[in-house]
Parts: sequence; C-alpha cells; structure tokens
Amino acid sequence: EPEVTQTPSHQVTQMGQEVILRCVPISNHLYFYWYRQILGQKVEFLVSFYNNEISEKSEIFDDQFSVERPDGSNFTLKIRSTKLEDSAMYFCASSPGQGFTYEQYFGPGTRLTVT
Amino acid sequence: GESVGLHLPTLSVQEGDNSIINCAYSNSASDYFIWYKQESGKGPQFIIDIRSNMDKRQGQRVTVLLNKTVKHLSLQIAATQPGDSAVYFCAENLSGTSYGKLTFGQGTILTVHP
Repeated sequence: EPEVTQTPSHQVTQMGQEVILRCVPISNHLYFYWYRQILGQKVEFLVSFYNNEISEKSEIFDDQFSVERPDGSNFTLKIRSTKLEDSAMYFCASSPGQGFTYEQYFGPGTRLTVT
Repeated sequence: GESVGLHLPTLSVQEGDNSIINCAYSNSASDYFIWYKQESGKGPQFIIDIRSNMDKRQGQRVTVLLNKTVKHLSLQIAATQPGDSAVYFCAENLSGTSYGKLTFGQGTILTVHP
C-alpha cells in the first residue's frame, strides 16, 4: 500500500540553525500538507500546498517557514532560524483531493529537537 | 472560532469490551469529520470518516455517529483489542473542499487491558 515517507526520523539542531524536513507524498496525490504536534498536545495545521503554491497557512507558519516541491516527488519544509519552541513532531500529509473521502494520509513524522 | 475538543479524557477497557470515544465540536459549518488513531511514535492513521449529511457510518469494527444538533461526534469500537490501544483524535474539515486543512481535537488515550 502506498504511504507517505519522511526523513529524517529525528533531527537535532541548535537554536538559530536552519533545518529542512523532507517528505515524499503518495505519488498520485495532488495536495500536500505539513502539521506539527508539540509533545502531549494536539496536531496543528501549518500549511497546505497545491499546484506549486501555498493554498492556506496558519498563523504558526510565519516568515521563518517555507515549503517547496523541488521535483516531482519531494515536498520539503524549511525552518530558517529555529527556536526552542519549534521542537515538535512534524507530520507531512497528502491527499488525492477528489472523490468521496477528504482523507489526508500522514507520514510517520520527523521529531525536531532544538537545543 | 474553530474548535474541536476532547476535554482530555482517558478510557481504559478490558479486551473484548466495546469502547466509545467522544468528541465535541463547536463549528456548525463543519461538513466533514475524520477519526484518526495515533500509536506511540507514529503518524495519525485514518480510521473512518463521515460527512455532515450522514448520521452514522460503519467500518470494520468501528462506527462513527454524528449528532449535528448537539455538535457531537463519537467513535465506537466493537470487541476492543489490545492493538487498539492508542490516542484517538477527531478532526474536522471546515472548508467544504476536498483539500481543506484539518482541525484536530486534543485526543483520547485508549488503553485496552488483556
């Protein structure tokens, strides 16, 4: 069964450093998302992406964040200058964007630890 | 505003019992709801979904009930198994589009004892 993959599984970085989290969405999906989950809290929407541009973003997704689909398979989230409060699990998701279901398929996540 | 909440419950059941996990939502405009299961260290895994024009939907061992009058959603798991132990989240799509963001609730921890 196709699945969303994410790398790395765990990223440790120092405050102020740039990080890039990588995702490979399901191949025939059209919509891509990043969510984050701070330890013990609910999953929060960051950004959605379609047709090579951002469809929607939350107030969390400020100028320090950017997304890119550099080729036909990868979808990345960049944090330019990490802060301690960016420590969280980051989930990539993709959706076919059509049909009955609006289901979003989630990857296993990248645990980002900012020290 | 947008709000889907589970009020931080935990549920502990014996193997073979039926489990019911509840979710309250505040936005009456929400038109699509999903239940996700999240095991430790993993991403949310789809369980079942329901549109706002439905009251009930059944899957394999799971049933989702939607009561729009009181803005309440529930997930029923029949014959709960130890492998069902996880955190369960309800999520809603407010946008009415197939690509809209999901707003998640806080989560319920389900523990199944053998």
